[in-house]
Amino acid sequence: QTVVTQEPSFSVSPGGTVTLTCGLSSGSVSTDHYPSWYQQTPGQPPRALIYNTNTRSSGVPDRFSGSILGNKAALTITGAQTDDESDYYCVLSMGGGLWVFGGGAKVTVL
Amino acid sequence: QVQLVQSGAEVKKPGASVKVSCKASGYTFTSYGLHWVRQAPGQSLEYMGRITPHNGDTKYSQEFQGRVTITRDTSATTAYLELSSLRSEDTAVYFCARGVGGGNFDNWGQGTLVTVSS
Repeated sequence: QTVVTQEPSFSVSPGGTVTLTCGLSSGSVSTDHYPSWYQQTPGQPPRALIYNTNTRSSGVPDRFSGSILGNKAALTITGAQTDDESDYYCVLSMGGGLWVFGGGAKVTVL
Repeated sequence: QVQLVQSGAEVKKPGASVKVSCKASGYTFTSYGLHWVRQAPGQSLEYMGRITPHNGDTKYSQEFQGRVTITRDTSATTAYLELSSLRSEDTAVYFCARGVGGGNFDNWGQGTLVTVSS
């Protein structure tokens, strides 16, 4: 079974830059996986940030960007703000209309 | 505006089944897929499956095959998730989400807590 991997935690200073990655237990992530990123705060449903590798969802600030870095998908937060302290999940298309989420990454801004 | 409103919390015994509803409004129900995702306490998101409301086509994650059924009622603009043979590990918040393509689940329900306990 395919596992989507994320580093579990990050710490960034206000105004700093942090890059989260999303990989596969076997193989490389490509645009064919339509990597997408979601932000979640406690007690809330996830919020779409980036879809289809690098398209920002409506209303998402441009300090959030998506890309492919090497064999992984990446979410970069440039100029982090305290409001960005959240859990972040990537999700990949496995074909056939099915998706798999990563284990999530907790970002602390301090 | 687009809204997905889910049914209320449920408490079930092991071995029972649960059916969660997701009422859609603010858009043409048959135009977009509806997906189901769950989250156990303190855990990550887990994709379960989806339905294409237009034709009722369904896809289920292998992990849930044989235990999950997703249906829809187009006249009620509502999708349903039914999970059978419940066990304690199924205790989670269950979310529905509208999928508009390219991995964009742009609107989510508020979540439904299902607790499985004897």
